[in-house]
Amino acid sequence: DQQVKQNSPSLSVQEGRISILNCDYTNSMFDYFLWYKKYPAEGPTFLISISSIKDKNEDGRFTVFLNKSAKHLSLHIVPSQPGDSAVYFCAASTSGGSNYKLTFGKGTLLTVNP
Amino acid sequence: DGGITQSPKYLFRKEGQNVTLSCEQNLNHDAMYWYRQDPGQGLRLIYYSQIVNDFQKGDIAEGYSVSREKKESFPLTVTSAQKNPTAFYLCASRSGGVYGYTFGSGTRLTVV
Repeated sequence: DQQVKQNSPSLSVQEGRISILNCDYTNSMFDYFLWYKKYPAEGPTFLISISSIKDKNEDGRFTVFLNKSAKHLSLHIVPSQPGDSAVYFCAASTSGGSNYKLTFGKGTLLTVNP
Repeated sequence: DGGITQSPKYLFRKEGQNVTLSCEQNLNHDAMYWYRQDPGQGLRLIYYSQIVNDFQKGDIAEGYSVSREKKESFPLTVTSAQKNPTAFYLCASRSGGVYGYTFGSGTRLTVV
């Protein structure tokens, strides 16, 4: 049973426009949410995160919004650049225990067209 | 420079053979993890270790084995019992909380 879902396998946007990547989760024990960016044949790199006590976190062009009641988060990239083209993974974790295991969604392939 | 190294980047094996994937880190991280990625799939946790000489099964441990004899090393053996071993394997280490992950660059294993 998938606990973290990214229902859009792909997204295509024009350079300069906004990219919105969505993520839903089912486990109400998750209290940390992270977005990773990944290129083919490479490891994921950390992009931005949010904890469950916040509803928004912003870092430059990247903003993550969390709606706890809907168990939904989204990553906004404004303005989108061709270098943003990659697969974006949403991941979640719980603070209970100490293992901080990450549960990943299936990813969304973002293509930013010049 | 500190980092996490996975070798080799590409690995080919014949069906029925065991194969061991290497993961070494010089970050002095206590925790280490193995994930598997298949096309169109997210990363799925195979095994993890929070301390030397201790490790736990993840979500898809069947057909895999690990050891953690040294803090720096967490090798993964893909055994002949793993039904679909062809995949991209990622190793990670972590220090501190959930934001402390570092991922390796991965090993693509192809079993023919």
